[in-house]
Amino acid sequence: AQKITQTQPGMFVQEKEAVTLDCTYDTSDPSYGLFWYKQPSSGEMIFLIYQGSYDQQNATEGRYSLNFQKARKSANLVISASQLGDSAMYFCAMRDGEAAGGTSYGKLTFGQGTILTVHP
Amino acid sequence: DAGVTQSPTHLIKTRGQHVTLRCSPISGHKSVSWYQQVLGQGPQFIFQYYEKEERGRGNFPDRFSARQFPNYSSELNVNALLLGDSALYLCASSQQGWETQYFGPGTRLLVL
Repeated sequence: AQKITQTQPGMFVQEKEAVTLDCTYDTSDPSYGLFWYKQPSSGEMIFLIYQGSYDQQNATEGRYSLNFQKARKSANLVISASQLGDSAMYFCAMRDGEAAGGTSYGKLTFGQGTILTVHP
Repeated sequence: DAGVTQSPTHLIKTRGQHVTLRCSPISGHKSVSWYQQVLGQGPQFIFQYYEKEERGRGNFPDRFSARQFPNYSSELNVNALLLGDSALYLCASSQQGWETQYFGPGTRLLVL
């Protein structure tokens, strides 16, 4: 069964500094996808970045980059030049591979999340 | 373009009652997924629908049911509410289910 582990319940960073949020995963599927979402206190999950298991290069989206180490089964999120508005809960999630019988679907399995606080 | 919309935003029910939550996907998206997020935890998968067919179901009791309409909007129904059903219910849409899922603002359900 798929499993996502986020070992940092909370992280603190100074404004304009970079921060790394850790995520490890476990799956037996050769094909999978890894996602990071941001959840402000309002509750809405905001998509940040995606990494496919066969992607050769680490994904980047603006100030967000994903440090994908397939052999170690880790997919850490790096936020550069932190801003006060980055303070939120961050979730790592993994998408299932092919389901039995050939019908694939995109169930997401989420970690427990990391609360990021950016200090001025 | 409008994002995923959900209604209502907040809801208070009592134990044993029934609730219906609604979701409209992003225009052009044909798949809708539902997740339950209990306070302090990550979201848990409940259902995924694509082209009105159930694609996947999480580990939830039969009190939870859902359907998708021809316009791709969806309803999540929960019968015989329990205190433990109090949570944020999130709806997400994607083009066919496999791609990136985009979430709505959620419905906060409180069961008293």
